[in-house]
Amino acid sequence: DAGVTQSPTHLIKTRGQHVTLRCSPISGHKSVSWYQQVLGQGPQFIFQYYEKEERGRGNFPDRFSARQFPNYSSELNVNALLLGDSALYLCASSFWSKGGTEAFFGQGTRLTVV
Amino acid sequence: DQQVKQNSPSLSVQEGRISILNCDYTNSMFDYFLWYKKYPAEGPTFLISISSIKDKNEDGRFTVFLNKSAKHLSLHIVPSQPGDSAVYFCAASANSGGSNYKLTFGKGTLLTVNP
Repeated sequence: DAGVTQSPTHLIKTRGQHVTLRCSPISGHKSVSWYQQVLGQGPQFIFQYYEKEERGRGNFPDRFSARQFPNYSSELNVNALLLGDSALYLCASSFWSKGGTEAFFGQGTRLTVV
Repeated sequence: DQQVKQNSPSLSVQEGRISILNCDYTNSMFDYFLWYKKYPAEGPTFLISISSIKDKNEDGRFTVFLNKSAKHLSLHIVPSQPGDSAVYFCAASANSGGSNYKLTFGKGTLLTVNP
């Protein structure tokens, strides 16, 4: 069975540009969450989507947005990129919308903003 | 405000010995805890979890202990193997009354198992 898949794996963008990251959850999982991990820190929660609805948002600016599609895949969009947006972006999928269960992560997208 | 703290940035142990990784939390609402292992250039891999209604959970070489009164949990790996060398993250979620699933992570502990 395929795990969580993310694309692309690496990306280099220029300040001010826009980026779209994609995620396909584990088959049967309806919840997708996005996390940002900068060097030396643990992953930080950005968004959670369940059944195409936003269920949670972390402390990130409005330049960050996301959506979930009918097949439960998801996109994370970041506008007006800043150097500080350089990070590993992780997607996690889980069966339920709430906790108390495991979340499984993809391999991540390494975004570098120059 | 760091709600989940892993105070040891690194830990080195000999192959075959026990590895003990520690984690402290401050949010009393946390009621589900997870440990993840992360290799460079990969996403975190789920290892083991524990609900706040339990104080111990075992899965093979991995055991997680939870001390709610001390707001402390630990991951024991016995015996440690060189392939266990990775960054270990402690994570917590607060499920009661919530409508979403948000994990709060510590900064991680780099475990090195020496042959």
